[in-house]
Amino acid sequence: EAQVTQNPRYLITVTGKKLTVTCSQNMNHEYMSWYRQDPGLGLRQIYYSMNVEVTDKGDVPEGYKVSRKEKRNFPLILESPSPNQTSLYFCASSLDLTNEKLFFGSGTQLSVL
Amino acid sequence: GQSLEQPSEVTAVEGAIVQINCTYQTSGFYGLSWYQQHDGGAPTFLSYNALDGLEETGRFSSFLSRSDSYGYLLLQELQMKDSASYFCAVRAPNSGGYQKVTFGIGTKLQVIP
Repeated sequence: EAQVTQNPRYLITVTGKKLTVTCSQNMNHEYMSWYRQDPGLGLRQIYYSMNVEVTDKGDVPEGYKVSRKEKRNFPLILESPSPNQTSLYFCASSLDLTNEKLFFGSGTQLSVL
Repeated sequence: GQSLEQPSEVTAVEGAIVQINCTYQTSGFYGLSWYQQHDGGAPTFLSYNALDGLEETGRFSSFLSRSDSYGYLLLQELQMKDSASYFCAVRAPNSGGYQKVTFGIGTKLQVIP
């Protein structure tokens, strides 16, 4: 089944404790992206990747890192999480940068205490 | 940058028709997409308009007017399961010359019996 898989689904952590949210897609998509969703603010892009080893900042990249060592994986890294990073996170992918259809993972609800 | 406006909430009766509007401001424009998100779920792609006019997919239709920077999603024969949030998203060039997708804040549709 074609899908974008995110883990974990729920995560509670404390300020300053490094964490990684994993994202994997099995559709051979070139383009992958991370969004955070907060009430009243919609989906805001954190980082995106056009292909392996090619990443760029989105609208709200501060406090986040990403890597794209393999085509299928695009992990989101929070080196020192803070409470303002408490949010619902979505990974998404599409065939390439010009393709209009984004496929989303099921989301990761992160709480930073 | 890009900005989008859509109503935050809409209520409609089962079996009726509802229109969700979206206006946008962008520097450059490739197309307008619509996504549906049920509570607790991931956004799922509904439609994409790159050219002016109406695109129909079953009970859902999407319209675009590039000259007015305006689009709408039309839902016909509303069903209770259509209760969800609906996001418009604009695809436009970013500062790096790549294509970027920016989402609106979402319209929460409540279908009542």
